[in-house]
Amino acid sequence: AQSVTQPDIHITVSEGASLELRCNYSYGATPYLFWYVQSPGQGLQLLLKYFSGDTLVQGIKGFEAEFKRSQSSFNLRKPSVHWSDAAEYFCAVGGGSQGNLIFGKGTKLSVKP
Amino acid sequence: EAGVAQSPRYKIIEKRQSVAFWCNPISGHATLYWYQQILGQGPKLLIQFQNNGVVDDSQLPKDRFSAERLKGVDSTLKIQPAKLEDSAVYLCASSPLLGAAQETQYFGPGTRLLVL
Repeated sequence: AQSVTQPDIHITVSEGASLELRCNYSYGATPYLFWYVQSPGQGLQLLLKYFSGDTLVQGIKGFEAEFKRSQSSFNLRKPSVHWSDAAEYFCAVGGGSQGNLIFGKGTKLSVKP
Repeated sequence: EAGVAQSPRYKIIEKRQSVAFWCNPISGHATLYWYQQILGQGPKLLIQFQNNGVVDDSQLPKDRFSAERLKGVDSTLKIQPAKLEDSAVYLCASSPLLGAAQETQYFGPGTRLLVL
């Protein structure tokens, strides 16, 4: 069965520090992988997605993610975090005939000044 | 381009009452999704429409939840009767194509439901 694991429930980083959020997936075929961000009281916004080609994917707001098939991972990174990046981040895997998304439980990011 | 609209934004009801949520997807989007997001969890798909037809409602508790998408545009999700465990944020999303797996889903702000 498809599943997504985000091992870190809550991460705190200092403003200007680098960030890596972990995501591991389980999927039988080549997955479509997504990272979404959810700010308080808001819906989810797509940061980036991977479905083929270059395994390093660039997204909005300076985020990038790397697909590693051997590790079944799709970790999200940012070289320098801004206070406005504080939010909850969700990794998702999509696939199947209907394009359904399976979400992880999310990682809440706090940013220290 | 207007985003996905949802109303109401907040709703408080007592258990065993009924409640309805409304969603207006992005104009022209063929696929519409309803998700349930319980506190501390990721969104879980309840139902997916392509145009006005249901293509996946396998996780919809059909004894109390119902949904429709009139004329392939707006959609309503209803809960009757509500239970305490239905307290959650209900998210609506839409995407342009017919269930393409790599498609971006665009989410509305959600309706936060509290059942007392």
